[in-house]
Amino acid sequence: GAVVSQHPSRVICKSGTSVKIECRSLDFQATTMFWYRQFPKKSLMLMATSNEGSKATYEQGVEKDKFLINHASLTLSTLTVTSAHPEDSSFYICSARDIGGPSDTQYFGPGTRLTVL
Amino acid sequence: DQQVKQNSPSLSVQEGRISILNCDYTNSMFDYFLWYKKYPAEGPTFLISISSIKDKNEDGRFTVFLNKSAKHLSLHIVPSQPGDSAVYFCAASAHAGGTSYGKLTFGQGTILTVHP
Repeated sequence: GAVVSQHPSRVICKSGTSVKIECRSLDFQATTMFWYRQFPKKSLMLMATSNEGSKATYEQGVEKDKFLINHASLTLSTLTVTSAHPEDSSFYICSARDIGGPSDTQYFGPGTRLTVL
Repeated sequence: DQQVKQNSPSLSVQEGRISILNCDYTNSMFDYFLWYKKYPAEGPTFLISISSIKDKNEDGRFTVFLNKSAKHLSLHIVPSQPGDSAVYFCAASAHAGGTSYGKLTFGQGTILTVHP
């Protein structure tokens, strides 16, 4: 199946710093990538839709100035958590939509565990 | 507003038997449905999907059934194996265009445990 990577897999930072998470589709092109957040024992919550070459679309309640998304190429999207605070600690997962494959399916990265001290 | 619901938080099955995971949805615009398997601290792994023009899709041990009139889908795993133990999420999307195009709405997940 299609492969999506995320980097880093785990990051610990101090409150007030910014953290960048990369999401790459390794063997397909993705005009659209998605960023999710998962709270403990909860479902995945869609944060934003990242479109190559255009601005991201944020879900209601998600601060676009805090969670900066850049989709610079057909294989790379980045999520930057700006001025991170302890409440931003979570598991962040990206997915990429393979529109060139046999089915219009999202493939997920392995996730990034962010801990803000 | 939970548009996709998995009402069983957990399911326990004996190895070799059938596992049936259920999912209900409320949004009639959904026309594409997927099942994902997830282990703790990992991203979801795609299992199988079905378009609303079908009522069944089979891939090896996994079969997904869709009942559009009841707005219900189910995932059958047979025979179940201990390695199938994980959290299973159903997800739905609408392909009618507009801002919701391609976005997945997830259920809450069902923890499947397959006992040897």
